[in-house]
Amino acid sequence: DIQMTQSPSSLSASVGDRVTVTCRASQTISSYLNWYQQKPGKAPKLLIYAASSLQSGVPSRFSGSGSGTDFTLTISSLQPEDFATYYCQQSYTTETFGQGTKVEIK
Amino acid sequence: QVTLKESGPVLVKPTETLTLTCTVSGFSLSNARVGVSWIRQPPGKALEFLAHIFSNDEKSYSTSLKSRLTISTDTSKSQVVLTMTNMDPVDTATYYCARIWRATIWGYYYYYMDVWGNGTTVTVSS
Repeated sequence: DIQMTQSPSSLSASVGDRVTVTCRASQTISSYLNWYQQKPGKAPKLLIYAASSLQSGVPSRFSGSGSGTDFTLTISSLQPEDFATYYCQQSYTTETFGQGTKVEIK
Repeated sequence: QVTLKESGPVLVKPTETLTLTCTVSGFSLSNARVGVSWIRQPPGKALEFLAHIFSNDEKSYSTSLKSRLTISTDTSKSQVVLTMTNMDPVDTATYYCARIWRATIWGYYYYYMDVWGNGTTVTVSS
């Protein structure tokens, strides 16, 4: 299986901050990388697919980049509703998720 | 409006078989561009892919759980069923189903889970 490793596991940030979450695949996955946001007690929500395509209805402050093995999710200006856990997921082979990055209020 | 709803037992005993049903609406399971995945999340832990199925009966299973899982579709009922055998307390989790959308981008197929159900919590205990 392809292992997905996210860093950091958690971070503290303030409203208005620029936040970056990194995801690394154990082997190349081209651009077969998706990002999800999950709030406590809720189902995940798709943010980014194909590494950099913004899902319809998702605010433009979210962006994704990368290809091969290294990927980044960026929130350009953190909003109160963005405090959540973020997961990357590869769809190059049998799907696997990263372990999650929790974004907390500083 | 696209919706998915999981249903199944709240409590199962160790060694029993779990059967979960995902009932979908707002799209057809016959559509070649969509599939359905099952994903689970133990309390306080990360998401874990279990299985997916497409309309052409293409199936994929988690490598580590493959021997215990079976996924199937009842198109007439708009349902996808997942069975997991030999349940253990470590299988206690919230189980989600999600629609997979197969998009064509730059001439290639990309897959992503664009709509999720609310999840159903399953506890394994004697």
